[in-house]
Amino acid sequence: GAVVSQHPSRVICKSGTSVKIECRSLDFQATTMFWYRQFPKQSLMLMATSNEGSKATYEQGVEKDKFLINHASLTLSTLTVTSAHPEDSSFYICSAEGNTYNEQFFGPGTRLTVL
Amino acid sequence: AQKITQTQPGMFVQEKEAVTLDCTYDTSDPSYGLFWYKQPSSGEMIFLIYQGSYDQQNATEGRYSLNFQKARKSANLVISASQLGDSAMYFCAVETSGSRLTFGEGTQLTVNP
Repeated sequence: GAVVSQHPSRVICKSGTSVKIECRSLDFQATTMFWYRQFPKQSLMLMATSNEGSKATYEQGVEKDKFLINHASLTLSTLTVTSAHPEDSSFYICSAEGNTYNEQFFGPGTRLTVL
Repeated sequence: AQKITQTQPGMFVQEKEAVTLDCTYDTSDPSYGLFWYKQPSSGEMIFLIYQGSYDQQNATEGRYSLNFQKARKSANLVISASQLGDSAMYFCAVETSGSRLTFGEGTQLTVNP
């Protein structure tokens, strides 16, 4: 099956710093990638849809200036959490859209802890 | 807007027995897809099964089957012959236009030996 990687898998940072998370489709090209956030024992919430070569589409309530998304190639999308604060601590998961009945392939997730 | 409801926060099943995880959904889109994912404690999302809204037959994938009742807007997951490795969080999701997935709150399944 298709493989999606995320880097880093875990990051701890100080409040006020920016953190970049990479999402890569390893063996297929993904025009569309998605970014989700998951708080402990809660569901996945879609943050934004990332389209290669165009601006991301953010879900209602998600600050686009805080969560910067760049999808510069067909295999890479990045999420940058700018000026991170403790309330941004969460599990961030990306997915890439496949070619079969719109299946999404998920990355392993990145656990962000902001001190 | 789409809404997924999973009414069972936690479920327990004995090893080798079957278990049904409930999922109801609400969408105004005439065409949609229903997914079930498994999320073990490691966090990765594992695709289990898919059902298209126009599919006449219930989807099956190995030990997983989807009991799709379109009129009731229900898409329950049936896991047969439960194994200890099935213990995980299970999420139901509906996909509508633009490939956007909306997830339910999840059901924590525990398989007892």
